[in-house]
Amino acid sequence: DQQVKQNSPSLSVQEGRISILNCDYTNSMFDYFLWYKKYPAEGPTFLISISSIKDKNEDGRFTVFLNKSAKHLSLHIVPSQPGDSAVYFCAASLNQGGKLIFGQGTELSVKP
Amino acid sequence: DAGVTQSPTHLIKTRGQQVTLRCSPKSGHDTVSWYQQALGQGPQFIFQYYEEEERQRGNFPDRFSGHQFPNYSSELNVNALLLGDSALYLCASSSRRMFNEKLFFGSGTQLSVL
Repeated sequence: DQQVKQNSPSLSVQEGRISILNCDYTNSMFDYFLWYKKYPAEGPTFLISISSIKDKNEDGRFTVFLNKSAKHLSLHIVPSQPGDSAVYFCAASLNQGGKLIFGQGTELSVKP
Repeated sequence: DAGVTQSPTHLIKTRGQQVTLRCSPKSGHDTVSWYQQALGQGPQFIFQYYEEEERQRGNFPDRFSGHQFPNYSSELNVNALLLGDSALYLCASSSRRMFNEKLFFGSGTQLSVL
């Protein structure tokens, strides 16, 4: 049972444009959501998070949106840069500090 | 400041063997979690250790066991290896005392079971 889903395995975007990565979840009890970025041969690195009491969180070029009624979150990267090319994972947990349930990942490619 | 370090980076074993993977958390962190990442999938939670005790466990058989030492480092042991255990094993640390729950991941150990 895949509780967190990233339905797009890959996404290609032109440098300078917006990248939008999507994630859907099924468990309405999830309280905390995170995005991680992973380069080859490295572990995932934390990007940005949002708690269920918010619907938006910004950090520089990265913004995460949470739509609880639709059980959907998205990550916006503006403007996209070639260095953003990586695999992006969304993750959810029932509480801060609890186990994370990851999606399958979306590979983002930003073309110069 | 050293981040999360894992050893070894690669490992090849045969079916039925046992393996031990090691993890040193980021300085100042006291909680260690282990994840398994199969090819093309997201990481899957195995278990979490805090104060030398297993605090949470994912849906993994008892063949997977762990330990946390007084210096907060941790080991993951897998017995009776199966072909399906081939995966990237990721260790992640966090600081429960500092209320900093964002995980810092190591680069992982790539385990191949033949």
